[in-house]
Parts: sequence; C-alpha cells; structure tokens
Amino acid sequence: DSGVTQTPKHLITATGQRVTLRCSPRSGDLSVYWYQQSLDQGLQFLIQYYNGEERAKGNILERFSAQQFPDLHSELNLSSLELGDSALYFCASSVGLAWDEQFFGPGTRLTVL
Amino acid sequence: QKEVEQDPGPLSVPEGAIVSLNCTYSNSAFQYFMWYRQYSRKGPELLMYTYSSGNKEDGRFTAQVDKSSKYISLFIRDSQPSDSATYLCAMGERNTGNQFYFGTGTSLTVIP
Repeated sequence: DSGVTQTPKHLITATGQRVTLRCSPRSGDLSVYWYQQSLDQGLQFLIQYYNGEERAKGNILERFSAQQFPDLHSELNLSSLELGDSALYFCASSVGLAWDEQFFGPGTRLTVL
Repeated sequence: QKEVEQDPGPLSVPEGAIVSLNCTYSNSAFQYFMWYRQYSRKGPELLMYTYSSGNKEDGRFTAQVDKSSKYISLFIRDSQPSDSATYLCAMGERNTGNQFYFGTGTSLTVIP
C-alpha cells in the first residue's frame, strides 16, 4: 500500500458527460501528479500540482482540468467525455517539487460508453 | 517518434533465469532514469532510480544506463514467479521539472 488513495475505483459513464476523480496524497507529500494509462499509449503524464499550485503540464486535453486543495487532496475533472478517454487514471504523490520518488495510487478505471 | 521506446513483450522465462529489460530514448537531455514494476490492477511502484550513466544494484536487480547509446536496461537475476508483472521504464530531464516520460511497459511472466 503506497499510502495514496484514489476514488472511485471504477467509473462507467456515457459520452458527453463530466466526471471527477479524487486523490489523497501520502501524509506529508506536497506534490500530486495525474497520469493516464491506456493500452496503446502507456502511462502519460497529465499535470503536476505542488502545494496548491500548478507546476508542470503534460499532454493534458483542454477538456480536462485539475486542482489541488488546501488540504492537499486533488481532483481531476474530465468533461465532454469521449470513447477514447476510457483508461486508467493514476494519481501519484511525492514529498517535494522535483525528482523525488513518486508513489502511485491504485488508479481509477474510467469506461466511457 | 516517441520519447521513450520499450518492447512490450510479452516475455516468458523459467524460474531462476536472468531477465533483461530494455528501453531506448531520443532526448539526450534525460538525466534521471527509473524502473517501475506494475502488478495487474495495481499502480506502478518504483524499483530503481539512477542519475546519469552507470550501474546501480539492489538485491537481484541491476539498472544500467548508457547515455552515449541512449539505452537503459534492467537485469533481474534468479527470477521468481513473484517477479511476474509489467515493467515500465521512465526518465526525465531537469529542464522539464518533475515530468517523467514512461515507456509502454514490458509484460514479464516467470514460470515456476
């Protein structure tokens, strides 16, 4: 158990809908990262927050947004969902801003029908 | 061309074999190199973390980085059925902060 929690574990929704994925980092970790994992693309970095501020952005679609709250938990919002958004979404956390070990949560499996 | 290339396998070996897993990359600025292990239905967990070129050993695992060839390897000695998992390489450079680029993963099965 990495200490990173993610909810929900599974999410099934329809195209065009909006969903919110939630992540609680390990105690003491200030950075939260979001990743998307699909069979053909592997693990893709989406975005990083550090102590409430956005610090790095990867290939995140404009339909996706994230935030980190004062209690350091983070939410990833996915809107106008498409079939291709079906994937595993992982959250990871680390102590500092850069180059620390990232601890991954168990993931949220999103299925868009 | 992807930043990181990794043979997806699958790779199947008998128990006790030496396993070699490899990744190539295109960005010569990468300085940080990692190997993650991911069991089915779980999140990735860090196995090895190396900086720049050279070797690093941890128990049955050895990570090698050859920056001149843009090639990294993970060796598993005396492989065990519990090593059956997907292995992901990841790497990053200082200029992009903490953004890591992952390979697509190699699926390994160790047969008892």
